[in-house]
Amino acid sequence: DAKTTQPPSMDCAEGRAANLPCNHSTISGNEYVYWYRQIHSQGPQYIIHGLKNNETNEMASLIITEDRKSSTLILPHATLRDTAVYYCIVRVYNTDKLIFGTGTRLQVFP
Amino acid sequence: GAVVSQHPSRVICKSGTSVKIECRSLDFQATTMFWYRQFPKQSLMLMATSNEGSKATYEQGVEKDKFLINHASLTLSTLTVTSAHPEDSSFYICSAASGQGKGDEQFFGPGTRLTVL
Repeated sequence: DAKTTQPPSMDCAEGRAANLPCNHSTISGNEYVYWYRQIHSQGPQYIIHGLKNNETNEMASLIITEDRKSSTLILPHATLRDTAVYYCIVRVYNTDKLIFGTGTRLQVFP
Repeated sequence: GAVVSQHPSRVICKSGTSVKIECRSLDFQATTMFWYRQFPKQSLMLMATSNEGSKATYEQGVEKDKFLINHASLTLSTLTVTSAHPEDSSFYICSAASGQGKGDEQFFGPGTRLTVL
């Protein structure tokens, strides 16, 4: 079973920051948090991942709370092309298995 | 990022036939590949883990005799849907990992849409 909880849908205005929350209260100390997104009828696209520290790359920032029970993916300047389903995943310890939850459908509007 | 390809991208077949889907890692060696299935408006469901040179490990509820997986090389895994039926119609997606277990990202293929008539 997926170990994460996300809101089913969110809206964001183009050009604004999109903040996507994720709860993973049962995460273990050595399990990573991954974020992927899936645009309709395509394979998932890797966004970012982290363990304890906040992470930033060219696509997004990942903020992980100190107790690691939740995290937030931040798209700093959302565009229409960011409309997708965003999946927050806790990677199974010591494996490469990714168990997908239901994700958040982000709709970016003009 | 690394590139994973799938072939074919779309296939239509008659009920009772078998269909083979290929998954290739184009620019890295994948010791582990994964196969997922996704029904319309649903999330991805992990079907099996494919390790190069060994038998695949199937998730609970997935029939290993129906979904045959072969990972013959470090760049190729195949999924064969045997005796396909309309309920097997779905979007099949593979992913590949280098298998280092160090928190590396996993790269997904573009998916194969299977329609069984």
